[in-house]
Amino acid sequence: AQSVTQLGSHVSVSEGALVLLRCNYSSSVPPYLFWYVQYPNQGLQLLLKYTTGATLVKGINGFEAEFKKSETSFHLTKPSAHMSDAAEYFCAVSEDGSARQLTFGSGTQLTVLP
Amino acid sequence: DAMVIQNPRYQVTQFGKPVTLSCSQTLNHNVMYWYQQKSSQAPKLLFHYYDKDFNNEADTPDNFQSRRPNTSFCFLDIRSPGLGDAAMYLCATSLTGGYGYTFGSGTRLTVV
Repeated sequence: AQSVTQLGSHVSVSEGALVLLRCNYSSSVPPYLFWYVQYPNQGLQLLLKYTTGATLVKGINGFEAEFKKSETSFHLTKPSAHMSDAAEYFCAVSEDGSARQLTFGSGTQLTVLP
Repeated sequence: DAMVIQNPRYQVTQFGKPVTLSCSQTLNHNVMYWYQQKSSQAPKLLFHYYDKDFNNEADTPDNFQSRRPNTSFCFLDIRSPGLGDAAMYLCATSLTGGYGYTFGSGTRLTVV
């Protein structure tokens, strides 16, 4: 069975500081990994995804994530936080290549302080 | 632009009064999903359609039903909404062999 753990339900950073949102997964097969962002009263928007190949994945809005198999991690980073990055971030895993079954983490609320 | 559209964005219904939420897509994706998301929680899958095949999650209450009359449209019916059904309902689509979902903007349901 697949599962996702997001460490830290709330993360606060200052504008311009590094953003690091942590995600660890459990999967019985090589996983497909995703990060989604959700702004208030909006649906989820795909930030980036790892399927196969290069383990460092670049996404939209300057975010990137690195798949580390040995650590079963897929942490999300951004070098310099912007006020517009304040949102809820969800990590998700799928063992099914067709992505029919995504399992979401519990989410991390990112606050960006001026 | 191709997209997933949910209507309405906000829905208020009375306790016990049936309500229907709608989702349409112009992506021609063959898989459509309905998720329930309560405040400060992860989305929870209710059911999904793989083409015309309906797949219900084991813990989805019988109160929740779905219809998919064609590729583009999918409906979520709540037969007798309770106060505990107040949530954001998210529709998503995907393509067999693709990776990741495309989500609609959601419908926030309030039960009074």
